[in-house]
Amino acid sequence: EAQVTQNPRYLITVTGKKLTVTCSQNMNHEYMSWYRQDPGLGLRQIYYSMNVEVTDKGDVPEGYKVSRKEKRNFPLILESPSPNQTSLYFCATNTPGTGVSNEQFFGPGTRLTVL
Amino acid sequence: GEDVEQSLFLSVREGDSSVINCTYTDSSSTYLYWYKQEPGAGLQLLTYIFSNMDMKQDQRLTVLLNKKDKHLSLRIADTQTGDSAIYFCAETPPPFSGGYNKLIFGAGTRLAVHP
Repeated sequence: EAQVTQNPRYLITVTGKKLTVTCSQNMNHEYMSWYRQDPGLGLRQIYYSMNVEVTDKGDVPEGYKVSRKEKRNFPLILESPSPNQTSLYFCATNTPGTGVSNEQFFGPGTRLTVL
Repeated sequence: GEDVEQSLFLSVREGDSSVINCTYTDSSSTYLYWYKQEPGAGLQLLTYIFSNMDMKQDQRLTVLLNKKDKHLSLRIADTQTGDSAIYFCAETPPPFSGGYNKLIFGAGTRLAVHP
């Protein structure tokens, strides 16, 4: 079954404690992205990757890091989380030019609370 | 600049039609999308329209695109309780501005269907 998985699904942490949210896909997609969803703001792109070892900033990259060492995995790293990073995070994947161009497939989401 | 706007709430009676509206600013967008988010779940692509089309119908869903006014709408016929969700309008910038990997989302419209 084609899917995008994220772990953990829920996380409560404290300010400054480093954390990683993992994302994995089994669709062999080149492109992967991280978004955050906040009430009244919709989803905003944090970082994206066009292939292994190729990453770039999205619209709201401050306070986040990513890596893409393997095609299937794209972890989101918060080195020193702060309360304003409390949000719902989504990983998404796509391959341009196949099926619906730029259709993105989303993971189930990770709800992060930073105290 | 890129901006997508939609109203935040819509309440309809079961069996009636729902119309969710969206305005966007980037006239060079290639695709425009409607995503559905059910409670506790990720986003699922509902339908899309290419920017050179005016209308697209898919079973109970009708998408209308007015390029002159940069207005997109989603009509759901015979709305059911299972249609209760948040609906996101999204646009894809052209490829030369990161389009293949980026979606610009509206804030989402929460549709409530009541008996």
